[in-house]
Amino acid sequence: RKEVEQDPGPFNVPEGATVAFNCTYSNSASQSFFWYRQDCRKEPKLLMSVYSSGNEDGRFTAQLNRASQYISLLIRDSKLSDSATYLCVVITGQNFVFGPGTRLSVLP
Amino acid sequence: ETGVTQSPTHLIKTRGQQVTLRCSSQSGHNTVSWYQQALGQGPQFIFQYYREEENGRGNFPPRFSGLQFPNYSSELNVNALELDDSALYLCASSLAGEQYFGPGTRLTVT
Repeated sequence: RKEVEQDPGPFNVPEGATVAFNCTYSNSASQSFFWYRQDCRKEPKLLMSVYSSGNEDGRFTAQLNRASQYISLLIRDSKLSDSATYLCVVITGQNFVFGPGTRLSVLP
Repeated sequence: ETGVTQSPTHLIKTRGQQVTLRCSSQSGHNTVSWYQQALGQGPQFIFQYYREEENGRGNFPPRFSGLQFPNYSSELNVNALELDDSALYLCASSLAGEQYFGPGTRLTVT
């Protein structure tokens, strides 16, 4: 089993839709979690940290479920500009592990 | 912009050669991490430097080595290049966990 797994997609959704991504991780000792977005042929950009209590930033909500070892990202009211690949990152000790990413296409 | 810079932006090398990639971290960030990203995949962690010492390493062979300098800038060196080393090489600087990436160096090995 891979250390961090994501559904590669692509997720094709209409503008205004709500879309959710999940990311599962295998190491129960993992201590920190993040979501990044990456546009085509660009570097990843930090979207948000993920906490057990959940955190929200505008249209984006991230959640961590330690018992089931997954993190989630919810995007409400999708915009065309949300089209990108969304990468989860799981940190265990000094080891940073990226998931393979989920591609999102928001369609007009 | 993150303030993390990398050079060069693109590079073409032949198999067996050696390459050095450079990264300047964001001001105040004392930790630099290097990643390899092949097309269509997520970044793979190579290693991390904290205050000039290697502080963690992923599953990469010893021909991948690095340095961090007193100003926290960093180099990634790859010896005996192989065709599979063709990828985007990203560096990220951090201070307290959150990492900020530079634009990357695209390396092509022919």
